[in-house]
Amino acid sequence: AQSVAQPEDQVNVAEGNPLTVKCTYSVSGNPYLFWYVQYPNRGLQFLLKYITGDNLVKGSYGFEAEFNKSQTSFHLKKPSALVSDSALYFCAVRDATPSSYKLIFGSGTRLLVRP
Amino acid sequence: DAGVIQSPRHEVTEMGQEVTLRCKLISGHNSLFWYRQTMMRGLELLIYFNNNVPIDDSGMPEDRFSAKMPNASFSTLKIQPSEPRDSAVYFCASSLGRGEQFFGPGTRLTVL
Repeated sequence: AQSVAQPEDQVNVAEGNPLTVKCTYSVSGNPYLFWYVQYPNRGLQFLLKYITGDNLVKGSYGFEAEFNKSQTSFHLKKPSALVSDSALYFCAVRDATPSSYKLIFGSGTRLLVRP
Repeated sequence: DAGVIQSPRHEVTEMGQEVTLRCKLISGHNSLFWYRQTMMRGLELLIYFNNNVPIDDSGMPEDRFSAKMPNASFSTLKIQPSEPRDSAVYFCASSLGRGEQFFGPGTRLTVL
């Protein structure tokens, strides 16, 4: 069965410092991996995805994520955090079979960037 | 593009009443997903349509819930009769095939 784990309920970081939001996954076969961000009272916004190719994926708002197959991880990173990055972040996985459509979401990690 | 549009944004109703949530897909998208988000259960997929056809409704909680796609750009999620435990934020999302999903702003439902 497919699953996603986001081990941290909350991540606190000072503005200007690098941030990492962790995600590990379990899927049969090759994974398609996604990160979404949710601001208060808003829907989820797509940030980036890994399908194949380069393990380092760049996305919106300066975010990037690194796919690590041996560790089954897809951690979200940003070199310099902004206060406006404070939001709820979701990792999601789908297996790569042609008929697969269902995204499995993690429980979410709240990022708090303090000034 | 206006993105995925949902209405109403907020709905407060009394137990036993019928509730209809509406969703307009992004033009050109052919896949539609309805989700429910609660603190306790996180984000749950309720139903998935592809080309207007329901493909997977295994996440629909019970017969009180029903969803339709009367045309390629519009969908409704109906709860009849509503119960307090249905209180949640309901999202619809659309995609082009198996591409990334784009979410609407959600409908916050409160059933008293």
